[in-house]
Amino acid sequence: DGGITQSPKYLFRKEGQNVTLSCEQNLNHDAMYWYRQDPGQGLRLIYYSQIVNDFQKGDIAEGYSVSREKKESFPLTVTSAQKNPTAFYLCASSTPRTGEYGYTFGSGTRLTVV
Amino acid sequence: GQQVMQIPQYQHVQEGEDFTTYCNSSTTLSNIQWYKQRPGGHPVFLIQLVKSGEVKKQKRLTFQFGEAKKNSSLHITATQTTDVGTYFCAELKTSYDKVIFGPGTSLSVIP
Repeated sequence: DGGITQSPKYLFRKEGQNVTLSCEQNLNHDAMYWYRQDPGQGLRLIYYSQIVNDFQKGDIAEGYSVSREKKESFPLTVTSAQKNPTAFYLCASSTPRTGEYGYTFGSGTRLTVV
Repeated sequence: GQQVMQIPQYQHVQEGEDFTTYCNSSTTLSNIQWYKQRPGGHPVFLIQLVKSGEVKKQKRLTFQFGEAKKNSSLHITATQTTDVGTYFCAELKTSYDKVIFGPGTSLSVIP
């Protein structure tokens, strides 16, 4: 079955550490996205990529980094510079027909700083 | 920053009652998308509206796009416990191929 796989589902990080969240899709989608969701709030865009080896900052990119070396993969690194990283992180992908099918989301990674 | 607002933020209804959430923008929207996120889950795309005054139905769900393309609504008839979740409206920024989400309306259904 095609879909988006995010791992791990839960992640605990000590303050000062960098962590990388994995996002893999086998939908052959060109575009991929990372969103952050805080409890009881909407989704805020961190980074997005419309094509391999290219990506753009979203609304809250500070303290995060990404890479897009393969079409299938769009990992997100939460660096120690991110002051409040505890959140639910969602990866999504889309075809050029985003209007018709919308985004496809992964099941998310819950990151907690301990 | 966020450009669409939603009301109410929370809604509790008795099973069988109707439910409506509203999405409002100060600027004209190119389109409006609706997503549903179950508790503990991820958002799932429901529909997109593009035309002024457009109305679309999916079983008990009715989606409407305002004549001025500055607001939209989602109406659920005779709610069921399976309707529980957060409903987000969003705009697809076609120039950038990115979706900007509203804050969502959280629906609770009391059996």
